[in-house]
Amino acid sequence: EAQVTQNPRYLITVTGKKLTVTCSQNMNHEYMSWYRQDPGLGLRQIYYSMNVEVTDKGDVPEGYKVSRKEKRNFPLILESPSPNQTSLYFCASRAGGTFQETQYFGPGTRLLVL
Amino acid sequence: QKEVEQDPGPLSVPEGAIVSLNCTYSNSAFQYFMWYRQYSRKGPELLMYTYSSGNKEDGRFTAQVDKSSKYISLFIRDSQPSDSATYLCAMSLGGKLIFGQGTELSVKP
Repeated sequence: EAQVTQNPRYLITVTGKKLTVTCSQNMNHEYMSWYRQDPGLGLRQIYYSMNVEVTDKGDVPEGYKVSRKEKRNFPLILESPSPNQTSLYFCASRAGGTFQETQYFGPGTRLLVL
Repeated sequence: QKEVEQDPGPLSVPEGAIVSLNCTYSNSAFQYFMWYRQYSRKGPELLMYTYSSGNKEDGRFTAQVDKSSKYISLFIRDSQPSDSATYLCAMSLGGKLIFGQGTELSVKP
């Protein structure tokens, strides 16, 4: 089954404690991306990757890091989480170079930073 | 000013109504225009995409783009309770994707 998986699905942590949210896709997609979703602000893109070792900033990259060492994985790293990073996070992937290809979203990771 | 503006609603309509959802944008360089549907506690799913000005139809859904006015619309005909969801417009610029806030739609039986 074609899918994007994220782990963990729910996470409560404290300010300053480094964490990683993993994202994996089994569709051999080149493009992967991370978004955060907040009430009243909608979905905002954090980082995206057009292929292995190629990453670029989205709209709200501050406080986040990513890496793309393998095609299937695109982890999101919060080196020093702060309460304003409490949010619902989605990973997504798609084939090809343009948005006419369907973008598949993962189930979401709900993060609470105390 | 946000690059993409969308009325968050909520919008409530009776079953069978025609629904009109809209977004305006400020960046004329946007390339692709998309509509996503998001059910509660789920990730968004792509409904439709368009590239140029004009209409694109897919079953009960019609996407409309007016680049001269920087305005896009999604029309849903014969709306069903199963259409109740949040609808997000999105626009691409290279690898970046900018979403509207989303409009929460409720279709009452």
